[in-house]
Amino acid sequence: GAGVSQTPSNKVTEKGKYVELRCDPISGHTALYWYRQSLGQGPEFLIYFQGTGAADDSGLPNDRFFAVRPEGSVSTLKIQRTERGDSAVYLCASSLTSSGGYEQYFGPGTRLTVT
Amino acid sequence: KNEVEQSPQNLTAQEGEFITINCSYSVGISALHWLQQHPGGGIVSLFMLSSGKKKHGRLIATINIQEKHSSLHITASHPRDSAVYICAVRRGSQGNLIFGKGTKLSVKP
Repeated sequence: GAGVSQTPSNKVTEKGKYVELRCDPISGHTALYWYRQSLGQGPEFLIYFQGTGAADDSGLPNDRFFAVRPEGSVSTLKIQRTERGDSAVYLCASSLTSSGGYEQYFGPGTRLTVT
Repeated sequence: KNEVEQSPQNLTAQEGEFITINCSYSVGISALHWLQQHPGGGIVSLFMLSSGKKKHGRLIATINIQEKHSSLHITASHPRDSAVYICAVRRGSQGNLIFGKGTKLSVKP
């Protein structure tokens, strides 16, 4: 079956603009995770959803970042007033559920460049 | 100090060599993952461990819960094994993963 997909694959935006990054999880997966990976670093956690609700948003760096998953499937990560420091690869992953130690499946990422 | 530390950061090997990548963590965990990331960004899960040892082909992963340490071994390494290998832990009941910085492996023919 289809894996996790993310769109766009690349996004270049100017400082101060608003961007939306989309994640389509594997069908039937109730848990969805957003991570951010800067060059040469391991991914860092941003937020995860169990169903429609954000179970943990402690990794969001500030209030410019927001994510939604209104129907418990597709999720959108929204970044307002982008800054150059937001440039990174934004990774999405999904798993069957967030409890029970199920494997996470990763999407290809969206490379965001803020100029 | 990071909660997940990997060593070495970079590793160059000759084809055929036995490779070991180490991961130490400082928090209580419910599972440890080894992931592979090729240039271009795609991350693939290799193993998920909560105890003991797992083997898949030429890859072996071990974990010692008491010592909070895991190792990933690659036997008979091949240039196609060149990638970044990332250790990540799942802390208790939390769903998200905490990642190490990765080990960049380059296997020369």
